[in-house]
Amino acid sequence: DAKTTQPPSMDCAEGRAANLPCNHSTISGNEYVYWYRQIHSQGPQYIIHGLKNNETNEMASLIITEDRKSSTLILPHATLRDTAVYYCIVRVGRKLIWGLGTSLAVNP
Amino acid sequence: SAVISQKPSRDICQRGTSLTIQCQVDSQVTMMFWYRQQPGQSLTLIATANQGSEATYESGFVIDKFPISRPNLTFSTLTVSNMSPEDSSIYLCSVEGTGGYEQYFGPGTRLTVT
Repeated sequence: DAKTTQPPSMDCAEGRAANLPCNHSTISGNEYVYWYRQIHSQGPQYIIHGLKNNETNEMASLIITEDRKSSTLILPHATLRDTAVYYCIVRVGRKLIWGLGTSLAVNP
Repeated sequence: SAVISQKPSRDICQRGTSLTIQCQVDSQVTMMFWYRQQPGQSLTLIATANQGSEATYESGFVIDKFPISRPNLTFSTLTVSNMSPEDSSIYLCSVEGTGGYEQYFGPGTRLTVT
């Protein structure tokens, strides 16, 4: 069973920040939060992961709350090519437990 | 990151037949994973395949239905046996990155069973 809940869909204006929320209230202390995205008809693409601290890479930033029950993925300047389904995932051991994801539409 | 290819990219098969999907990686990897993504759904892990050992199947998936081979560190196959329309899905292979944290995915095989 999925350990994450996300809104089914979101919209964002091109050039603005996209903030995608995720709840993972049952996460255990040693389980990582991962984010992937899947552009239509392609395989999922790794974005970022974190345990407790906030993380940033060239694609996005990950903000994890202090109690680790929720997190937010931030795409700082969304483009049309960021239109995709974004999955917030809890890693249990070496397994990724996938939820239903958020379909993000970036509009011109 | 690893570059992963899958063959075939898509196929339409008749009920009762079998299809073998190939997954090729451009570097040696220890762990390979096979997933199923049913229409409009998220990904479900079928099994984990380590080179030189039997694949480990998740609950709800059995070796007779989804036999997996892992002959070397760059290649694996998944066979979907005795297919029914319920097997219509996208099948994806993935590999664990060298850091042991991320997984990289192939483009998927879109299977339609009629």
